[in-house]
Amino acid sequence: EAGVVQSPRYKIIEKKQPVAFWCNPISGHNTLYWYLQNLGQGPELLIRYENEEAVDDSQLPKDRFSAERLKGVDSTLKIQPAELGDSAVYLCASSPTSGSGELFFGEGSRLTVL
Amino acid sequence: EDQVTQSPEALRLQEGESSSLNCSYTVSGLRGLFWYRQDPGKGPEFLFTLYSAGEEKEKERLKATLTKKESFLHITAPKPEDSATYLCAVQAGGNKLVFGAGTILRVKS
Repeated sequence: EAGVVQSPRYKIIEKKQPVAFWCNPISGHNTLYWYLQNLGQGPELLIRYENEEAVDDSQLPKDRFSAERLKGVDSTLKIQPAELGDSAVYLCASSPTSGSGELFFGEGSRLTVL
Repeated sequence: EDQVTQSPEALRLQEGESSSLNCSYTVSGLRGLFWYRQDPGKGPEFLFTLYSAGEEKEKERLKATLTKKESFLHITAPKPEDSATYLCAVQAGGNKLVFGAGTILRVKS
């Protein structure tokens, strides 16, 4: 069974440029998460989807971050414009049931903003 | 506010030297406590779920235990392949997971 797939794995951009990350969850997993992980820290939730509905986006900085999950499968996380402080690893995770704490993570997309 | 504190920040062990990692938490209405392993450049990988005080779970050389205020991850006779960052997370109301900063474990042969 294929795991959670994320792309790109690495991205280097200059500040004020836009960037987008893509996630394909495990087939059949209705719940999808985007997490942010800074160096030496644990993951922090940005947004949670149940199918195509964003049910928790309270931690998403909506002035520059946006996300979508069309058709309740793949998801895209966008940052526009990027700031130096956005340099981090962006992790996508999925789970088969709502409310489960057993998440399946992708390998992450490492963003460096210069 | 839900909080998770892990200690130590880093731990170096010799192969075969058993030890424990600590996860202390403050949460209103614990629904579950979770342990994850994270290798460099990878996403976290689920290890255990604990739901109530007194519960224990085991997997190979790892055993997780839970009290009302903390959880321990005991590592018995570790091997170099056990080297990783171990993350603890708690889940309260709203299904949100709150992660600790992790403990970096290095096991030398």
